[in-house]
Amino acid sequence: AQSVTQLDSQVPVFEEAPVELRCNYSSSVSVYLFWYVQYPNQGLQLLLKYLSGSTLVKGINGFEAEFNKSQTSFHLRKPSVHISDTAEYFCAVSKPGGYQKVTFGTGTKLQVIP
Amino acid sequence: DTEVTQTPKHLVMGMTNKKSLKCEQHMGHRAMYWYKQKAKKPPELMFVYSYEKLSINESVPSRFSPECPNSSLLNLHLHALQPEDSALYLCASSQESTGKGEKLFFGSGTQLSVL
Repeated sequence: AQSVTQLDSQVPVFEEAPVELRCNYSSSVSVYLFWYVQYPNQGLQLLLKYLSGSTLVKGINGFEAEFNKSQTSFHLRKPSVHISDTAEYFCAVSKPGGYQKVTFGTGTKLQVIP
Repeated sequence: DTEVTQTPKHLVMGMTNKKSLKCEQHMGHRAMYWYKQKAKKPPELMFVYSYEKLSINESVPSRFSPECPNSSLLNLHLHALQPEDSALYLCASSQESTGKGEKLFFGSGTQLSVL
């Protein structure tokens, strides 16, 4: 079965600084990878996804992620964070075919410090 | 309209009560999902409906009973719940559920407390 690991439970970063949130996946087959964001008291919103093709994926709100097959990673980056980026970020994985069954990682809380 | 609407936003129920959670979308999506999220944990898939048919049940206890009356509406009927069932229940939808990496659209959830 496929799974994702987010080793950092919390990442504090100063406003306007760059940030990288780490995600590693485990699967014996090809997978689809996603980053979702959850603001306080809200549902989840898709930031970006990798299905195939170019390994650099650009998403909403200035975020991007790079798929690295050799390192089984899909890290999320933003060159300059804002206070409004404070939220929980979930890396997620699904397997092609069948029904859409998305498995989420444990999440990383991004705390932007003014 | 790109919203998934969940009602109620908050629900407190006793262990002997029967209640229902409701989810609605008007995006023409043919797949709908229920997820359960405990505090400071990731969402966990409970059920997937595709074209109004139950496609995935992740071994959820029978005290949770899903229903999909039509393609826009998804209900979760609750009966004889336990305190450990207290959680945020999230509804999501996608255009289809064919395992092609479809984007999930989430509602804001129902915060359930079981006393």
